[in-house]
Amino acid sequence: KAGVTQTPRYLIKTRGQQVTLSCSPISGHRSVSWYQQTPGQGLQFLFEYFSETQRNKGNFPGRFSGRQFSNSRSEMNVSTLELGDSALYLCASSPGTSGGYGYTFGSGTRLTVV
Amino acid sequence: DQQVKQNSPSLSVQEGRISILNCDYTNSMFDYFLWYKKYPAEGPTFLISISSIKDKNEDGRFTVFLNKSAKHLSLHIVPSQPGDSAVYFCAASAYAGGTSYGKLTFGQGTILTVHP
Repeated sequence: KAGVTQTPRYLIKTRGQQVTLSCSPISGHRSVSWYQQTPGQGLQFLFEYFSETQRNKGNFPGRFSGRQFSNSRSEMNVSTLELGDSALYLCASSPGTSGGYGYTFGSGTRLTVV
Repeated sequence: DQQVKQNSPSLSVQEGRISILNCDYTNSMFDYFLWYKKYPAEGPTFLISISSIKDKNEDGRFTVFLNKSAKHLSLHIVPSQPGDSAVYFCAASAYAGGTSYGKLTFGQGTILTVHP
């Protein structure tokens, strides 16, 4: 059974640019969540999509956005990149019907903004 | 407002001994608690979870204990092995529907080192 796949693994962007990250969840999982990990703030929730609808959103500025497609694949976009956006971005998938399921994480996309 | 706290940044134990990782929370609405293990440059790997209606859950060498009155949970690893060396994150979810879906609130993590 394939796991959660995130692409690309590494990315270097210049301040002011925008970036799109992709996540393919485990087959059959309808929920995709996104997290940002930084040394100072730890793992912080960005947003969650279920059946193409955003169900929940964390405390991040509007520059951070996402979407989910009918096949449950998800993308997140960050516009007008800032140096502070440098982080490991993690995607997690779950069936989406219970909080008790261990959300399965991908290996992440390491974004560096220069 | 840090709703999930892991007060010990690091823990060092000898191979074969017990590792105890602790986690405190403040939000009474949390109804599921999870532990994840993470290696650098990889995503967290799910270890074990516990519902708020239970006080103990066991899976092989891993046992999680929940003390709701103290808002405290712990992960016991027995016996500890060098391969257990990693960062361990405690996480909580409040699956009350509505705006609670899909959000895990993580602690800051504890670096566990198991010495041979």
